Amino acid sequence: GQNIDQPTEMTATEGAIVQINCTYQTSGFNGLFWYQQHAGEAPTFLSYNVLDGLEEKGRFSSFLSRSKGYSYLLLKELQMKDSASYLCAPLDSNYQLIWGAGTKLIIKP
Amino acid sequence: DTGVSQDPRHKITKRGQNVTFRCDPISEHNRLYWYRQTLGQGPEFLTYFQNEAQLEKSRLLSDRFSAERPKGSFSTLEIQRTEQGDSAMYLCASSPGTGDVDTQYFGPGTRLTVL
Repeated sequence: GQNIDQPTEMTATEGAIVQINCTYQTSGFNGLFWYQQHAGEAPTFLSYNVLDGLEEKGRFSSFLSRSKGYSYLLLKELQMKDSASYLCAPLDSNYQLIWGAGTKLIIKP
Repeated sequence: DTGVSQDPRHKITKRGQNVTFRCDPISEHNRLYWYRQTLGQGPEFLTYFQNEAQLEKSRLLSDRFSAERPKGSFSTLEIQRTEQGDSAMYLCASSPGTGDVDTQYFGPGTRLTVL
């Protein structure tokens, strides 16, 4: 079967760094997306990884290890507006996104 | 604003009624997706269009749900004989459709409440 595993909730302090982990099992693999979703709003695209390694984009970085079925999203210099859910979504063999339940990130001052 | 738009943003209906939602994708995006999302869960795939062709429909989707994209531009999602379990956020996304892997961009969603 297909399965995505992310922590349900994480708490971090403004200005700090947080790493959100994601492990996945899919029928085939064609890359992995990370989306951010604020409460009551639609998901917005953050990153896409298809090769192993780290992709950096400003304060956000995303890492992928295909052999381990593992990815993480790294958020630096946390701001209050980063409080949101972060969704890990790999692409399966049919190029369909498989969505996890997401990780709710709470930022405290 | 040239993003994905959805209408209405909110819909309250009584059980047993039919509802229809509309999605206007980003201009020239070939692919259009419908998802359903409930609180604390990720989006659940419903169906997907490549231009006007409906290429895939979730096996979890009951026959009460139907979607169309008649001219390959906007799409409608209809739910017949609504049930309380249909209460959710209905999300539409579009992508360029250039190649197998492309980024999906989401609309603001339609929140459905079935009383």
